[in-house]
Amino acid sequence: TQLLEQSPQFLSIQEGENLTVYCNSSSVFSSLQWYRQEPGEGPVLLVTVVTGGEVKKLKRLTFQFGDARKDSSLHITAAQPGDTGLYLCAGYYGNNRLAFGKGNQVVVIP
Amino acid sequence: ETGVTQSPTHLIKTRGQQVTLRCSSQSGHNTVSWYQQALGQGPQFIFQYYREEENGRGNFPPRFSGLQFPNYSSELNVNALELDDSALYLCASSLGRGNSYEQYFGPGTRLTVT
Repeated sequence: TQLLEQSPQFLSIQEGENLTVYCNSSSVFSSLQWYRQEPGEGPVLLVTVVTGGEVKKLKRLTFQFGDARKDSSLHITAAQPGDTGLYLCAGYYGNNRLAFGKGNQVVVIP
Repeated sequence: ETGVTQSPTHLIKTRGQQVTLRCSSQSGHNTVSWYQQALGQGPQFIFQYYREEENGRGNFPPRFSGLQFPNYSSELNVNALELDDSALYLCASSLGRGNSYEQYFGPGTRLTVT
């Protein structure tokens, strides 16, 4: 059973377009993290959201944590080819176990 | 400052064989976590080591075992390899074992079992 469900699994858009991907769970998390993973590399942490309703911005990326702390979204404004990658959401269950979703594969076409 | 490194980069093994994967943690980090990432999946937590002791384990059979050394580097051993063990194995190090510590991932070892 997947603790975190991410949708859509694959998204291909043209450079300059906006996109939103989602991470949902039936469980409440104290925090959720978003990572980006590129081919041949490990995931790199982008942001941690902690408070329900919280919105964090990282340049053209906007992350939102749901009020009930069960879901999160990532919005990219004016996507660029450098945004191409696998976006993973993750949350802790238990004291130190990080659970990941399957990821959102984003491809930005120049 | 050197980041997390893993060796080897790629490995091909035959079903039934044993394999050892290695991870050097980032300087100053005393905690190492191992993950298995199958193709098209997110990473799955295998186990974590803190100061040379296992500190939590995911839903993996006993043939997956690990070790952490006094310098906090770590090994992942897998016995009796199965085809489904083919995956990218990631290690991540952190300053501590709590949830508040960021995990820094290495590039992974790609294991193929034939």
